[in-house]
Amino acid sequence: NAGVMQNPRHLVRRRGQEARLRCSPMKGHSHVYWYRQLPEEGLKFMVYLQKENIIDESGMPKERFSAEFPKEGPSILRIQQVVRGDSAAYFCASSPGNSNQPQHFGDGTRLSIL
Amino acid sequence: QKEVEQDPGPLSVPEGAIVSLNCTYSNSAFQYFMWYRQYSRKGPELLMYTYSSGNKEDGRFTAQVDKSSKYISLFIRDSQPSDSATYLCAMSRLTDSWGKLQFGAGTQVVVTP
Repeated sequence: NAGVMQNPRHLVRRRGQEARLRCSPMKGHSHVYWYRQLPEEGLKFMVYLQKENIIDESGMPKERFSAEFPKEGPSILRIQQVVRGDSAAYFCASSPGNSNQPQHFGDGTRLSIL
Repeated sequence: QKEVEQDPGPLSVPEGAIVSLNCTYSNSAFQYFMWYRQYSRKGPELLMYTYSSGNKEDGRFTAQVDKSSKYISLFIRDSQPSDSATYLCAMSRLTDSWGKLQFGAGTQVVVTP
């Protein structure tokens, strides 16, 4: 019974490069959420997606950040031209299509910017 | 002011004691309440979830919601060293259902043998 799968677990980028984080939801789940956890801070909501649709991106920075959840394949969180402040743990969560179940989380991708 | 307040701890208890955790919140629109456990370098693991007010019990865990006081609690009975972790409260608005969670900062719990 595979849970939410995120890869890579660790990602190192130099300033100005692009970072692509992947998330495969639990089997049967069609809703995906991305959160960011900075050191000594709680998780902050970034974006909520369903297949091929962005439902709520109110927590995502307007520039350099984008997310998608295509019909086939994992959800992707993309950060262009990374800066030191992007260093954080990025967590993906998924939930079923109905509205009666909470989210389950993956183990995150730890992004380090050199 | 943060929407969800949670004492960061650390909270140290001896093995077998009751662990008492709580969060306060300011937005009365929150209707869905969750507790997650997070071990170091791992993702949050769902422990308990409730809708609206009331109590819920599952094994050694009890979750309580007091909406009149905007206060939620998690109790862990017969604590074990394996319960040492960071505990996160989370909540969402009725319009967001179980999505778009607002998290507390987390309380670090240490259970000593």
